[in-house]
Amino acid sequence: GEDVEQSLFLSVREGDSSVINCTYTDSSSTYLYWYKQEPGAGLQLLTYIFSNMDMKQDQRLTVLLNKKDKHLSLRIADTQTGDSAIYFCAESNDGSARQLTFGSGTQLTVLP
Amino acid sequence: EAQVTQNPRYLITVTGKKLTVTCSQNMNHEYMSWYRQDPGLGLRQIYYSMNVEVTDKGDVPEGYKVSRKEKRNFPLILESPSPNQTSLYFCASSPYRGTNTEAFFGQGTRLTVV
Repeated sequence: GEDVEQSLFLSVREGDSSVINCTYTDSSSTYLYWYKQEPGAGLQLLTYIFSNMDMKQDQRLTVLLNKKDKHLSLRIADTQTGDSAIYFCAESNDGSARQLTFGSGTQLTVLP
Repeated sequence: EAQVTQNPRYLITVTGKKLTVTCSQNMNHEYMSWYRQDPGLGLRQIYYSMNVEVTDKGDVPEGYKVSRKEKRNFPLILESPSPNQTSLYFCASSPYRGTNTEAFFGQGTRLTVV
């Protein structure tokens, strides 16, 4: 079946850039997502990218997709303490709640 | 306000005592799903529903039941809970088609089975 992998932890200093990486195995993945989960809260969609794109930028967030290597990354510029959270990579064939496959999540800690 | 509402948010129960976690969405979405979140494992899908009276198993369905009698509601039923079902549960919904492919998640239900 499909598999999505992420490293479990990342620490950065406030003001630095954070890069969270994700690899996936399903070559038919059409939509790739980044979700953010703050403590005690549900999942919030941060951004997504279609498989026919290489890059997407949205304010401080940059998503890079390497389809050949099945590698997705999320870069957060000028990381702030409010960015501390768990970040989940997810993939889907049709973009619906029916078929999301999640990675294990990366706990981002922003140090002052 | 568009939202997915789960109840309760927190629940502690004893082994074998049947429980139901409710999920309701107000966006007229066709798709609804239940996930459980465990440390180091991410979110794993328990069951999903493509529309009223249409449900199917996800990756970890054992010990769970669902029903979809109305489009807005998708309750998760644990007939005989066991300690290994202690977890954080999320309900999600999304439209069947369209330009908005976002799945909306509830706030989560933290279940402890002792």
